[in-house]
Amino acid sequence: DGGITQSPKYLFRKEGQNVTLSCEQNLNHDAMYWYRQDPGQGLRLIYYSQIVNDFQKGDIAEGYSVSREKKESFPLTVTSAQKNPTAFYLCASSPADGMNTEAFFGQGTRLTVV
Amino acid sequence: ILNVEQSPQSLHVQEGDSTNFTCSFPSSNFYALHWYRWETAKSPEALFVMTLNGDEKKKGRISATLNTKEGYSYLYIKGSQPEDSATYLCLGAASGTYKYIFGTGTRLKVLA
Repeated sequence: DGGITQSPKYLFRKEGQNVTLSCEQNLNHDAMYWYRQDPGQGLRLIYYSQIVNDFQKGDIAEGYSVSREKKESFPLTVTSAQKNPTAFYLCASSPADGMNTEAFFGQGTRLTVV
Repeated sequence: ILNVEQSPQSLHVQEGDSTNFTCSFPSSNFYALHWYRWETAKSPEALFVMTLNGDEKKKGRISATLNTKEGYSYLYIKGSQPEDSATYLCLGAASGTYKYIFGTGTRLKVLA
């Protein structure tokens, strides 16, 4: 079955450590996205990629990095520079002309930094 | 900058009541508006994708309208059921960009 997979579902890290969240899709979608949600708040865009080897900063990119070496994969690294990394992270993908077609979402990764 | 807002933030309704929520967005540079339903511990699921002014879409008891000139969309649920309880998200896309921006969501609780 086609879909988008995030792993792990829960992740714990010590403060000061970098951590990478995985997002893989087998939908042949060109565009991929990372969002962050804090308690009581909406989803905010971190980074997005329209095509392999290209990505753009979203509204809250500071302290994060991404890569897009393969169409299927868009990993997100939460660096030690991110001041408040504890949050829920959601990955999405959409077709190349995807603004007028639906996006698909993973189930999210809840990151806790202690 | 695309700023998408939703209201109300949350609401409780009785089973059988009809309800509606609002998504507002800048009317200039608009390209598309999506509605998603997000249940706890699941992935957001698409309800509607709307692009044209005056669009009206329906799926069962749920329908949506779009007014791009004034910058808003309404989502209606007729005869709410407990299984409709979820967070309803709208997502806006601006012309010329792949930047999808979510509204803050409306959390609906339908009481049996």
